[in-house]
Amino acid sequence: EAGVVQSPRYKIIEKKQPVAFWCNPISGHNTLYWYLQNLGQGPELLIRYENEEAVDDSQLPKDRFSAERLKGVDSTLKIQPAELGDSAVYLCASSLGGGVTGSEQYFGPGTRLTVT
Amino acid sequence: GNSVTQMEGPVTLSEEAFLTINCTYTATGYPSLFWYVQYPGEGLQLLLKATKADDKGSNKGFEATYRKETTSFHLEKGSVQVSDSAVYFCALSVDSNYQLIWGAGTKLIIKP
Repeated sequence: EAGVVQSPRYKIIEKKQPVAFWCNPISGHNTLYWYLQNLGQGPELLIRYENEEAVDDSQLPKDRFSAERLKGVDSTLKIQPAELGDSAVYLCASSLGGGVTGSEQYFGPGTRLTVT
Repeated sequence: GNSVTQMEGPVTLSEEAFLTINCTYTATGYPSLFWYVQYPGEGLQLLLKATKADDKGSNKGFEATYRKETTSFHLEKGSVQVSDSAVYFCALSVDSNYQLIWGAGTKLIIKP
């Protein structure tokens, strides 16, 4: 079974440029998460989808970040314009969701973003 | 509020040593508890989990017991290997939507 797929793995851009990250979750997983992970810290949730609906985007900086999951499968996270402080690893995760007890999240390898 | 506290790293041990990484939590309700591991250059992987008090999660020689009375979920392994070198994250979730609350991570370094 394929895991969570993310691309690209690495991205270097100049500040003020746009950038997009793509995620394909595990087949059958209804819940999709985007996290930001700074070096030496735990992941911070940016947004959570249940199917195509964003049910928790309270931590997403909406002035520059946007996300979509149009058909309830793969998802795109965009930053426009990027700032130096956005340099981090962006993680995508998926889970069965639907209130399944103990349903764990499966993570992709992440996209390491460097803003110069 | 809900939170997770882990022992600070790095933790440096020799091969075959006994490992304990402490994790304590604060939560409303009855959380599920998780340990995730992140090997160098890789994504987070679920190591083990426990969903109710006194449950013991185990995997790859690692164990952790959900202790409600001490609000703890300490990770242990009897004999570590160099390949166990990684960052270990303790996490909890308290609702059916499974938003995870994460600890800061503990870096483990095993020397041959």
